Amino acid sequence: ILNVEQSPQSLHVQEGDSTNFTCSFPSSNFYALHWYRWETAKSPEALFVMTLNGDEKKKGRISATLNTKEGYSYLYIKGSQPEDSATYLCARGSGNTGKLIFGQGTTLQVKP
Amino acid sequence: NAGVTQTPKFQVLKTGQSMTLQCAQDMNHEYMSWYRQDPGMGLRLIHYSVGAGITDQGEVPNGYNVSRSTTEDFPLRLLSAAPSQTSVYFCASSYRGMGYDEQFFGPGTRLTVL
Repeated sequence: ILNVEQSPQSLHVQEGDSTNFTCSFPSSNFYALHWYRWETAKSPEALFVMTLNGDEKKKGRISATLNTKEGYSYLYIKGSQPEDSATYLCARGSGNTGKLIFGQGTTLQVKP
Repeated sequence: NAGVTQTPKFQVLKTGQSMTLQCAQDMNHEYMSWYRQDPGMGLRLIHYSVGAGITDQGEVPNGYNVSRSTTEDFPLRLLSAAPSQTSVYFCASSYRGMGYDEQFFGPGTRLTVL
């Protein structure tokens, strides 16, 4: 994998459903993996920054895991609510350049 | 703290015109960066700075210049605007390198080039 890739591109779920997204990234020269939440007409806001293989982070109903050896991260939302509707971005940071490269995002729509 | 501020919020240019997008932060962050957001492409890094006087290119630097004379300010200059530069531009900052710490984003500038 050369770039940061996210799947699916979009997702429609019912209120109360649990859901998860995938972020795949180059595993070489890995430094950190970021997740951001981006609501329409607003700016992206950070959810998690993870650096260690096996890291698990949680914020309310949202959690994330990290596998740096195989180059993927999962974001989970338990019991989705309409206010969770947003685009979720992941980004990979490399230690030698300091650059942060984003995936194209997963857009989640939660129907009441 | 105002956080990261960007001006203007909206701008319409004609092809060939130049302009500067302003970005300022009051959090004493060393790292600042510019992204553009295009449909279906997430955020793409244009230029970034690791401190005053130091800048480097990102993924899509062509047609843009930056400078960092102070810690607080990181303006983005469009030298000769082209329709392909129609986009939403976000400035961001972080305390340490972009791989280390979460980034704080400004509200964005929506630019249309006719």
